[in-house]
Amino acid sequence: GENVEQHPSTLSVQEGDSAVIKCTYSDSASNYFPWYKQELGKRPQLIIDIRSNVGEKKDQRIAVTLNKTAKHFSLHITETQPEDSAVYFCAARNNAGGTSYGKLTFGQGTILTVHP
Amino acid sequence: EAEVAQSPRYKITEKSQAVAFWCDPISGHATLYWYRQILGQGPELLVQFQDESVVDDSQLPKDRFSAERLKGVDSTLKIQPAELGDSAMYLCASSLVSYTEAFFGQGTRLTVV
Repeated sequence: GENVEQHPSTLSVQEGDSAVIKCTYSDSASNYFPWYKQELGKRPQLIIDIRSNVGEKKDQRIAVTLNKTAKHFSLHITETQPEDSAVYFCAARNNAGGTSYGKLTFGQGTILTVHP
Repeated sequence: EAEVAQSPRYKITEKSQAVAFWCDPISGHATLYWYRQILGQGPELLVQFQDESVVDDSQLPKDRFSAERLKGVDSTLKIQPAELGDSAMYLCASSLVSYTEAFFGQGTRLTVV
């Protein structure tokens, strides 16, 4: 089955700096890669996602890049703010069709702390 | 905005007792997931439903865990008997179909004592 590795496990930055979180996946058939943000005591919420037919996607201060050959994808947050502090999870899913129902496999999470 | 509803939010139970969690997905969502999240780790899929059918329960400890979604709408996850190692957050999520965005509920935090 799919295995998703996420690094680093903790990341501390100063307000205004950029933050980068990286994930690798094992199943070459995976074709959907979402990123979730989970604030303390709250539910995970989708912040951005990318499908395998594109290499990069951007939404304001957040961007995701995908390298299918190397089987890794990254989350980039620019101009970080204290409210970006949270746990971030990457995930990978295979929607190959047929009998595959697209199991969503998560990474271990990255605790991001943005210091004012 | 429609949300995935879960209850209870918190549950404390004694070892060897039975415990059940309930999830009501967003209306119209055919796919429902139950995840377990141990503190400091990512969510781990326990079971995935497509309508009323289980399509993945490979990581569900079937000797003590069971899940059902009888009418293809809401779902119940049961643990019997509970063990100390079951202490975790149990998250339910739903998506319109299996290849669209998954929306999470607030979760049920289980503590087994």
